[in-house]
This record gives sequence, C-alpha cells and structure tokens, in this order.
Amino acid sequence: AQTVTQSQPEMSVQEAETVTLSCTYDTSESDYYLFWYKQPPSRQMILVIRQEAYKQQNATENRFSVNFQKAAKSFSLKISDSQLGDAAMYFCAYRSEGGTYKYIFGTGTRLKVLA
Amino acid sequence: DSGVTQTPKHLITATGQRVTLRCSPRSGDLSVYWYQQSLDQGLQFLIQYYNGEERAKGNILERFSAQQFPDLHSELNLSSLELGDSALYFCASSVGGHADNEQFFGPGTRLTVL
Repeated sequence: AQTVTQSQPEMSVQEAETVTLSCTYDTSESDYYLFWYKQPPSRQMILVIRQEAYKQQNATENRFSVNFQKAAKSFSLKISDSQLGDAAMYFCAYRSEGGTYKYIFGTGTRLKVLA
Repeated sequence: DSGVTQTPKHLITATGQRVTLRCSPRSGDLSVYWYQQSLDQGLQFLIQYYNGEERAKGNILERFSAQQFPDLHSELNLSSLELGDSALYFCASSVGGHADNEQFFGPGTRLTVL
C-alpha cells in the first residue's frame, strides 16, 4: 500500500531564511503525482506546488521549489526568503492512476516563521 | 476563494444522529472529492465522484455514504454518528477525474459530535 511520511512535525525558520520540509513516500507504481499543500490557520487547503513523477526536472513556483528524488522516493519542499505569511501546516500528498485512484496525504509539518 | 462552496460551515450534533453535508463544485468541474481531517491530522480521502458516478473509494466507513446529483453538487451523509466522527470535512472539485487534475478545496464543514 502507498504511504506518505512527513517526519518533521514542526519546523521553525527565521524570516528571510530558507527552510526545507521533508517528505518520503512508498509506492510500487511508476506513474504518480506529488503535491505540497499549505493549510493556514483559516484551514483552507492551498496548492503550493506539484510534480509529475515522469518529469526529471524539479518543479519551481516563485520562492517554492522541490527536490524530487524518484529512486529514493523523496519529495522535499524548499521555501526561500521565508515570509511571515508562510507560517502554516504543510502537507505532502501523493496521487496515482494505476488500477485504482489513490489520494494520500502525509500527517503534516507545522512551519513557524520567526520575525 | 476557490469557487467550491460547502454548507453548513459548522454542525453540532449528538451521537447516534445523522447529518448531511453539502458541496457545490466550481462551475465546469465534473469531479467531486470528499476528505476527512481529524484534529491535527492529515486528510483522509473518503470518496470521489465524476459526473454522477462513483470513481474512487478511500477509507470511507459503511456508516457514511455520498452521491453526486445531476446538477453536479454532492452530498455526504454520515449516520449513527460517533464521537470519533468529529472532524473537518473537506470537499474538493476538479475539471476531470484523473489524478493529475488540480483539486480546488472548499472551506470545509466542521462537524462536532457530542
């Protein structure tokens, strides 16, 4: 069965610094998609970035980038120039097509941004 | 605002009762997903509908059921409620029904079972 693991329950970063959130997953499928979602205190789920497993190039969205290591089944999120508004829960998510659709979320990492 | 609406925002009920949560997808989206988020936990996928048909099933209890209507809105029915069912229930929608389609999340319905 597919699993998604976020081993850091909480992280802190100084404003304007860089932080990396870790995510590992386990799957036997070759085609899948990985996502990072942000959940601020409002509880709204917001898509931060996505990565297709068939693409070798790491996805980038402004200050957010990923380090996708398919062989290691690792998908970390790097936030550069951290801002106070980045403080939130961050969830790593896995989706696959395969024989049945799978939508699996990690348990989340709470990011605190220190002024 | 994602364009996905959920009602009600909050719901307080007692054990053993039955409730219905409603979701209206974004205009043009054919797929609806339901997720459960218990306190400080990740989201658990419950079920997906695409254009009125069940497309995928996750960890949905037998006490729970859902459907998608011809106008594409969806309802999640929770019956014989237990204390452990207290959670935030999210609905999401996407244009298509495939795993790579971006899902847009609603604001959630907070269910409290006393």
